[in-house]
Amino acid sequence: DAGVTQSPTHLIKTRGQHVTLRCSPISGHKSVSWYQQVLGQGPQFIFQYYEKEERGRGNFPDRFSARQFPNYSSELNVNALLLGDSALYLCASSLPSGDTQYFGPGTRLTVL
Amino acid sequence: AQSVTQPDIHITVSEGASLELRCNYSYGATPYLFWYVQSPGQGLQLLLKYFSGDTLVQGIKGFEAEFKRSQSSFNLRKPSVHWSDAAEYFCAVGASFGNEKLTFGTGTRLTIIP
Repeated sequence: DAGVTQSPTHLIKTRGQHVTLRCSPISGHKSVSWYQQVLGQGPQFIFQYYEKEERGRGNFPDRFSARQFPNYSSELNVNALLLGDSALYLCASSLPSGDTQYFGPGTRLTVL
Repeated sequence: AQSVTQPDIHITVSEGASLELRCNYSYGATPYLFWYVQSPGQGLQLLLKYFSGDTLVQGIKGFEAEFKRSQSSFNLRKPSVHWSDAAEYFCAVGASFGNEKLTFGTGTRLTIIP
């Protein structure tokens, strides 16, 4: 079975631009969570979506938004990019019973 | 609020030696605890998890961890490390079963020397 997939793998943007990151969960998983991992730090929780509804949000500004589609894939959008948004963005999926999150390989975003 | 502390930023061990990585958590109720491993440029792979029951849990790749409520700790151990174990290790705590916000520590980077 395929694991969690994310696209693109790498992305370079300039300050002020907008970016969209995509995630496809493991088949059968209905919950998707997003994390930001700044270099040298542990991942920080951004959002969780279940059945297309937001179930949780971390301490991130409104420039960050996300959505989940009927096929349970998800997009993370970041507006007005700042240098500090440079990070590895990780997506994780889990079963409806939600005991364990399985992570994708991440999207490396560089903001210049 | 829940939090995780990994006191060791970087650990170096010889191949074949034993390993213990420390993790301390802060959470008011029974925590859900995880250890993940991350190779350079990669995502996170689950090594093991603790929800309840036996406080010594076995994971993949020969790793184990012991939950000690009195010490608020969940240390990861391996009796004999292999060069392929070199990676970044993250301890994480979840608030409740089904609550999927994980709070991670800052990680411990493991270097293996021949």
